[in-house]
Amino acid sequence: KAGVTQTPRYLIKTRGQQVTLSCSPISGHRSVSWYQQTPGQGLQFLFEYFSETQRNKGNFPGRFSGRQFSNSRSEMNVSTLELGDSALYLCASSQEKGRGYGYTFGSGTRLTVV
Amino acid sequence: GEDVEQSLFLSVREGDSSVINCTYTDSSSTYLYWYKQEPGAGLQLLTYIFSNMDMKQDQRLTVLLNKKDKHLSLRIADTQTGDSAIYFCAESNQGGKLIFGQGTELSVKP
Repeated sequence: KAGVTQTPRYLIKTRGQQVTLSCSPISGHRSVSWYQQTPGQGLQFLFEYFSETQRNKGNFPGRFSGRQFSNSRSEMNVSTLELGDSALYLCASSQEKGRGYGYTFGSGTRLTVV
Repeated sequence: GEDVEQSLFLSVREGDSSVINCTYTDSSSTYLYWYKQEPGAGLQLLTYIFSNMDMKQDQRLTVLLNKKDKHLSLRIADTQTGDSAIYFCAESNQGGKLIFGQGTELSVKP
């Protein structure tokens, strides 16, 4: 079966712009989580959605937001981009709400802010 | 608080066993995981262990959990050059949020 699909794979944006990243979970998976990976901070949890509701949120500023659609696809948005937002953004999906053992990750979107 | 620590580098010879260690602080952790990340790729779940287990074996992989000391290890038997990657230890509690360590870069020399 198809894995977790993240689009686009690479993105270059200018400081101050906004960006939207997309994640299509594995068919049947209703939980989607987002993580930011940087060399300095490592892997940090952004938020988790289940059945279109945000269940959990990490310690990121309000410029970072997300949503989940009725087909479980999720988007995350970053407004007013800063240089420090350059990172690999990873999405993970799971069948079970909050059941971490089942999370499958996508290949990520590499965002570069210049 | 929630914190996961790993050593940053490990170098082994092909055919040897590799042992990657991890410590965590959250005593309410329900699952502990090992993920592998190859260059340019996402995270691949290698194995996981439930917090009431001491050991789990899956082919070349053995996970040991010492809940008292909050210590987790991953042993890779007969390490191959294809095992070269970054290995992340992670924990989750009832909330499902994954807390990752900094990752251990495993280098396998032929």
